[in-house]
Amino acid sequence: DGGITQSPKYLFRKEGQNVTLSCEQNLNHDAMYWYRQDPGQGLRLIYYSQIVNDFQKGDIAEGYSVSREKKESFPLTVTSAQKNPTAFYLCASSIPGPYGYTFGSGTRLTVV
Amino acid sequence: ELKVEQNPLFLSMQEGKNYTIYCNYSTTSDRLYWYRQDPGKSLESLFVLLSNGAVKQEGRLMASLDTKARLSTLHITAAVHDLSATYFCAVGFGNEKLTFGTGTRLTIIP
Repeated sequence: DGGITQSPKYLFRKEGQNVTLSCEQNLNHDAMYWYRQDPGQGLRLIYYSQIVNDFQKGDIAEGYSVSREKKESFPLTVTSAQKNPTAFYLCASSIPGPYGYTFGSGTRLTVV
Repeated sequence: ELKVEQNPLFLSMQEGKNYTIYCNYSTTSDRLYWYRQDPGKSLESLFVLLSNGAVKQEGRLMASLDTKARLSTLHITAAVHDLSATYFCAVGFGNEKLTFGTGTRLTIIP
């Protein structure tokens, strides 16, 4: 079955560490997105990529980095510069046209 | 810049009652989506609305779109507990990225 796989489901980060969240899709979608969701809040866009080797900053890119070396993969690194990284992170993908986004199951990141 | 507002942000309603969630957006759009999110889970697509006057229904949920008023509604009929979730609308134009509303947290009380 096609879909988006995010891993790990839960991740714990120590202060000062960089961590990388994985997002892989086998839907052959061109565009991929990363969102952050804080408890009881909406979705905030971190980064998005519409084609391989190209990506754009979203509304809250500071302290995060991404790469898009393959169409299927869009990993998100939460760097030590992100001072409050505890949140639920959602990855999504889409194709051109009125099809909306397909979301992964999310990664819950906690700073310990 | 496209802005999307939902109201109410929180909604508690009794089982069996009807209610409506509103989604207003600020600029021209040619597509509007409704998603559902259960606590701690991902977003699930409910409806896509593409034209003025479009209406979609699934079970106790019905979504409509008025592009002239830049308004979509999600109507809940005879609510049941299983409908408790957070509902998001998302608006887009062409192949630009979607803009999501703030979400409406719906709690159905027995």
